Amino acid sequence: NAGVTQTPKFRILKIGQSMTLQCTQDMNHNYMYWYRQDPGMGLKLIYYSVGAGITDKGEVPNGYNVSRSTTEDFPLRLELAAPSQTSVYFCASSYGREKLFFGSGTQLSVL
Amino acid sequence: GNSVTQMEGPVTLSEEAFLTINCTYTATGYPSLFWYVQYPGEGLQLLLKATKADDKGSNKGFEATYRKETTSFHLEKGSVQVSDSAVYFCALRGTQGGSEKLVFGKGTKLTVNP
Repeated sequence: NAGVTQTPKFRILKIGQSMTLQCTQDMNHNYMYWYRQDPGMGLKLIYYSVGAGITDKGEVPNGYNVSRSTTEDFPLRLELAAPSQTSVYFCASSYGREKLFFGSGTQLSVL
Repeated sequence: GNSVTQMEGPVTLSEEAFLTINCTYTATGYPSLFWYVQYPGEGLQLLLKATKADDKGSNKGFEATYRKETTSFHLEKGSVQVSDSAVYFCALRGTQGGSEKLVFGKGTKLTVNP
């Protein structure tokens, strides 16, 4: 059972480049989330989804976009990368609103 | 809005020492409270939870009691091990609108030395 799988694990972008962080889960969870973790700042919610076709903004959505075309996949899109988006990104999923299962993270640097 | 405040880290202990990590919260209604743990290089994992006042969550020797009168959910362990070295996050999920979202504290890094 793979759980929550994120790719890539590491990425370096130049300012203004675009990329998609991939997230897939095989637990048939309805809820999925994207968080960013900045040093000493805990986790901030970027976007979340309560089911296929439904997404909503979290605390820090600016500069990001998401889609949820299937139950399994929840990609996060950065359109014009900025240094402020340097962070570790975590995808998570849950059945209902209980226990969240996290992926192992994507470390992104924007230079 | 809902918020969680954790004690500042880092915390460094010797093996078999007693651990307390303080967590207090601000929320309306009756939130559910959680402790998550992040081991080096990994994502967060749920450690324990409590869903109503006076509930005690426990797992792997860790305990935390939901204290509504002091709005606290402190994490304790009687005897820590080197393998407990990690970052610990307190979190809450509210009962008002937007309760799908967990609110996390900033995390407390624990290092246990042999």
